[in-house]
Amino acid sequence: EAGVTQFPSHSVIEKGQTVTLRCDPISGHDNLYWYRRVMGKEIKFLLHFVKESKQDESGMPNNRFLAERTGGTYSTLKVQPAELEDSGVYFCASSQGDHRSDEQYFGPGTRLTVT
Amino acid sequence: DQQVKQNSPSLSVQEGRISILNCDYTNSMFDYFLWYKKYPAEGPTFLISISSIKDKNEDGRFTVFLNKSAKHLSLHIVPSQPGDSAVYFCAASDGGYNFNKFYFGSGTKLNVKP
Repeated sequence: EAGVTQFPSHSVIEKGQTVTLRCDPISGHDNLYWYRRVMGKEIKFLLHFVKESKQDESGMPNNRFLAERTGGTYSTLKVQPAELEDSGVYFCASSQGDHRSDEQYFGPGTRLTVT
Repeated sequence: DQQVKQNSPSLSVQEGRISILNCDYTNSMFDYFLWYKKYPAEGPTFLISISSIKDKNEDGRFTVFLNKSAKHLSLHIVPSQPGDSAVYFCAASDGGYNFNKFYFGSGTKLNVKP
């Protein structure tokens, strides 16, 4: 069974540009999470989808970030316009159930570099 | 403000010895804790968890200890193997509405020397 996949693996953009990250969760997983790790610091929660609904988006940094999950399958995270401090590794995770004991499976991440 | 802290960015251990990774937290509402392991160019993978009703959970070579009064948890790996070399993250959540919101530490890079 395929794991969580993320595209692209690496993106380099200039400040002010737009970037869209994509996450494909494990098939059948209703729960999808976005996280970010900046400059070797802690991994920070961004938001949690249950199917196509945003369950918790309390970690989204500001309104330059827009996450969608149309149809409850794959998800996109758009950053518009990108700023230097948005650089980091963006991880997506998925889980079958929404109990915290349901393991969250992480993708390999997208490394975003804003120059 | 960071609520989960891993104050040791790196740790080096000889193969066969014990590895002890530490984690401190500040939020007394946290009641569920996890450890994740991460290899380069991969996402974190779940290792072991513990609920606050316990003070110890064991899974093979991995044991997590929780000291609620000190707001401290540790991961023990015995015996350590070269394949354990990775970055280890501790994470925590509270039992409120956002119980799926995990707070992670900044990671400890473990190097197990053959």
